[in-house]
Amino acid sequence: QVQLVESGGGLVKPGGSLRLSCAASGFTFSDYYMSWIRQAPGKGLEWVSYISSRSSSIYYADSVKGRFTISRDNAKNSLYLQMNSLRAEDTAVYYCARDPLPNYGDYSSDHWGQGTLVTVSS
Amino acid sequence: QSALTQPASVSGSPGQSITISCTGTSSDVGGYNYVSWYQQHPGKAPKLIIYDVSTRPSGVSNRFSGSKSGNTASLTISWLQAEDEADYYCSSYTSSSTQVVFGGGTKLTVL
Repeated sequence: QVQLVESGGGLVKPGGSLRLSCAASGFTFSDYYMSWIRQAPGKGLEWVSYISSRSSSIYYADSVKGRFTISRDNAKNSLYLQMNSLRAEDTAVYYCARDPLPNYGDYSSDHWGQGTLVTVSS
Repeated sequence: QSALTQPASVSGSPGQSITISCTGTSSDVGGYNYVSWYQQHPGKAPKLIIYDVSTRPSGVSNRFSGSKSGNTASLTISWLQAEDEADYYCSSYTSSSTQVVFGGGTKLTVL
């Protein structure tokens, strides 16, 4: 079965950095577009970043552009999010999520990880 | 303020049908058939229930249906059940640099 397991969250000071990882299993990772989506405590969902199956297309929300970098290692079935210059407003649960169709960007996510909490506070 | 507008809350009794709206613009909902709906129970990850406006993923009950008219998408839940009580979010592709936008979410209460 499809499994997505995020790790790397934690407490970091404003201006600091953190790298999130997402380990994928149960499907051919290299065939799927992947996303990072976040949810601030008690708030709604916010799309963060999107990467195509071969990393040829990458997109970011305006709120993180220039500070966050998405990447993937298809040989390791892993997705990453490097977060720099973190701000208090980046505090959220970060979810790794998979597109529903192989080799096609559908801008939706049919499988989600359990999420990892990032807290930015001094 | 979210890019897509949803009602903050809706309610219905078991067995009834309810509809949740999601209003955007011609740059997102109205211009593309990439509207999705998610169900989220407290403390859980979201679950995809509709994508591409009206397609249900495998395993999702046919009590859930999606549609779109102009710049407004809709999610209809028929034969409401207690377990449908959750938060519901719509999302859409957008031609802006953001790529994907979400609605603010709608809390469904089953009375």
